[in-house]
Amino acid sequence: SQTIHQWPATLVQPVGSPLSLECTVEGTSNPNLYWYRQAAGRGLQLLFYSVGIGQISSEVPQNLSASRPQDRQFILSSKKLLLSDSGFYLCAWNTGSADEQYFGPGTRLTVT
Amino acid sequence: QQQVKQSPQSLIVQKGGISIINCAYENTAFDYFPWYQQFPGKGPALLIAIRPDVSEKKEGRFTISFNKSAKQFSLHIMDSQPGDSATYFCAASKGGSYIPTFGRGTSLIVHP
Repeated sequence: SQTIHQWPATLVQPVGSPLSLECTVEGTSNPNLYWYRQAAGRGLQLLFYSVGIGQISSEVPQNLSASRPQDRQFILSSKKLLLSDSGFYLCAWNTGSADEQYFGPGTRLTVT
Repeated sequence: QQQVKQSPQSLIVQKGGISIINCAYENTAFDYFPWYQQFPGKGPALLIAIRPDVSEKKEGRFTISFNKSAKQFSLHIMDSQPGDSATYFCAASKGGSYIPTFGRGTSLIVHP
């Protein structure tokens, strides 16, 4: 069966510090991978998606970046965090377009 | 347009009652309509989904009603239970696009 992992589960970082969040998927090959951000009490904001290794599409211009160094690994990064980067970061995957997405457990990021 | 409008934003229901959440879309190319359930601090999980070739789909206490002509679909939770208290997201996507469109979410509280 397929499993999606995210780490860390929680993170408290000062403004201006770097960020690296990791997501890995097990049990499937060539998944589509997604990064979402969810502000407190709000909806899902798509940040990045990837349909293959090295292929990253950005949906929202900001100080975040994403990389996909391996087929089932998706990394969200920032060189300098802003207060507005606080939120709940979710990784998700699926195997095709117009298909259900499977979400990871999320990372709660607090920028202080 | 890609927008999906979800209502209400919040809903309070007594145990045993019926919870109804509505979504409306504009893009007639959408051909997949899932509902996700999210508990606090967790990632969303697929609850039930429908494609436009049927007008209704039922899984246990959860039913999706789909009205293609009105471009609307709704989630009905029969015999609502306190354990159903969560945030519910509707979504829509179309073949060939990797980007689903999510509604803004409905916070459901079921009082015992």
